[in-house]
Amino acid sequence: DIQMTQSPSSLSASVGDRVTITCRASQGISNYLAWFQQQPGKAPKSLIYAASSLQSGVPSRFSGSGSGTDFTLTISSLQPEDFGTYYCQQYNSFPLTFGGGTKVEIK
Amino acid sequence: EVQLLESGGGLVQPGGSLRLSCAASGFTFSNYAVTWVRQAPGKGLEWVSGISGSGGSTHYADSVKGRFTISRDNSKNTLYLQMSSLRAEDTAVYYCAKKIGANGGTFDYWGQGTLVTVSS
Repeated sequence: DIQMTQSPSSLSASVGDRVTITCRASQGISNYLAWFQQQPGKAPKSLIYAASSLQSGVPSRFSGSGSGTDFTLTISSLQPEDFGTYYCQQYNSFPLTFGGGTKVEIK
Repeated sequence: EVQLLESGGGLVQPGGSLRLSCAASGFTFSNYAVTWVRQAPGKGLEWVSGISGSGGSTHYADSVKGRFTISRDNSKNTLYLQMSSLRAEDTAVYYCAKKIGANGGTFDYWGQGTLVTVSS
């Protein structure tokens, strides 16, 4: 199985800050990488697929990059509604696997 | 508007069975693969099972293989998860999610989830 490792596990940042979350795959997954946001008590929301393509309706302050084993999710200017836990997920091969999550808190 | 509505969750004893349903609307259901993802209380996301648009291809996580069966009825726009030999560690919110394509790919829409509690 492909292991997905996210860092940091949590962070606290101010409104307007640039935030970066990293995700590393235990083996190469090309660009078969997605990012999700989950707020407390809610279902996950799809943000990015194919490592860098934004899902419809996702604000442009979110961006993704990377290929192979190392990936990044960037929020260019953190907004109050961006709190929650962010997960990466590989879909290169079954079983599909998620990272452990990064909890983002607004200072 | 794409909508996914899960139902069928509840309290079940260890060793028992339960069938979850996910009613889909707002898209041509048979054109897309769909999947189940679960989240144990206070934990992260875990992929459980997926099925292709035609229903001809299915995949399972090792943790549920042989105990859970995924199926779909394209005439009713509904996805199912038959769960048997349930264990305490199966306690979780179960989400259905629509995939981007007919077979592979990741998810673009999620349901709100249904809670399954396995306890005596």
